[in-house]
Amino acid sequence: GQSLEQPSEVTAVEGAIVQINCTYQTSGFYGLSWYQQHDGGAPTFLSYNALDGLEETGRFSSFLSRSDSYGYLLLQELQMKDSASYFCAPEGYNKLIFGAGTRLAVHP
Amino acid sequence: NAGVTQTPKFQVLKTGQSMTLQCAQDMNHEYMSWYRQDPGMGLRLIHYSVGAGITDQGEVPNGYNVSRSTTEDFPLRLLSAAPSQTSVYFCASSPKLATHYEQYFGPGTRLTVT
Repeated sequence: GQSLEQPSEVTAVEGAIVQINCTYQTSGFYGLSWYQQHDGGAPTFLSYNALDGLEETGRFSSFLSRSDSYGYLLLQELQMKDSASYFCAPEGYNKLIFGAGTRLAVHP
Repeated sequence: NAGVTQTPKFQVLKTGQSMTLQCAQDMNHEYMSWYRQDPGMGLRLIHYSVGAGITDQGEVPNGYNVSRSTTEDFPLRLLSAAPSQTSVYFCASSPKLATHYEQYFGPGTRLTVT
C-alpha cells in the first residue's frame, strides 16, 4: 500500500526558518517532489530529490533519506508571501502521489 | 507560450448530466494528467497519459473517461455527474515521461454538482 504523512499546519514568524517533514510509503519509489500552492491557485513546483541528501534552491532546501522513507522542506528567511500549502509528492512509476499538504502561516 | 489552459473556470451541473473539462498545453509535453482536489484531501490522480493514444488510470478513475488523440489536448469527461464529484480539477503536463520533471498545472476548473 501507500501512505504519506505531513503535519497539517505550521505557524512561523517572518524571517524565521521552518522545516516541513514528510514520511512516505509507496510501492516503487523514484524520488520526492515538493509543490507550493497559494489559496485559490494552482500548485507550482519547488524541488525534486532523487538521491539522498540536500538540494538547495535559493531560500528553499529539500532533503531526502531513502532508507528512512523521509524527507523535509526547509524554508529560510520566511516572508509573508510564503504563506501557502506545501505538498510532498513521492514519485512512483508514472505517478506522483500527493498528500493532504501542510498549511504554512507566516505572521509579522 | 500559454502553458496549460483549462476551460471552463467554473461549472455547475445537475446530477446525471455529462460534460467535458478541456485541457490543452502548447509546450509539446508528453506527459499529461488530471487531478481532483477536495478540502483536506490534497490532490488525487484521476487519469494520466504518457503520449498521444496512451492513457492509464490513477487513484480515483471511476466516473471519469479520458482520451489523448493529440499531444496538445487531454479532455476529461464526466459520464453522469454525481454530487461526490464536486471538486476542483487540475490538469498538469510535464516535458518528459518521468513525473519527477516539473509538472506544470493549469489554473483549475471549479465544478459543483447539485
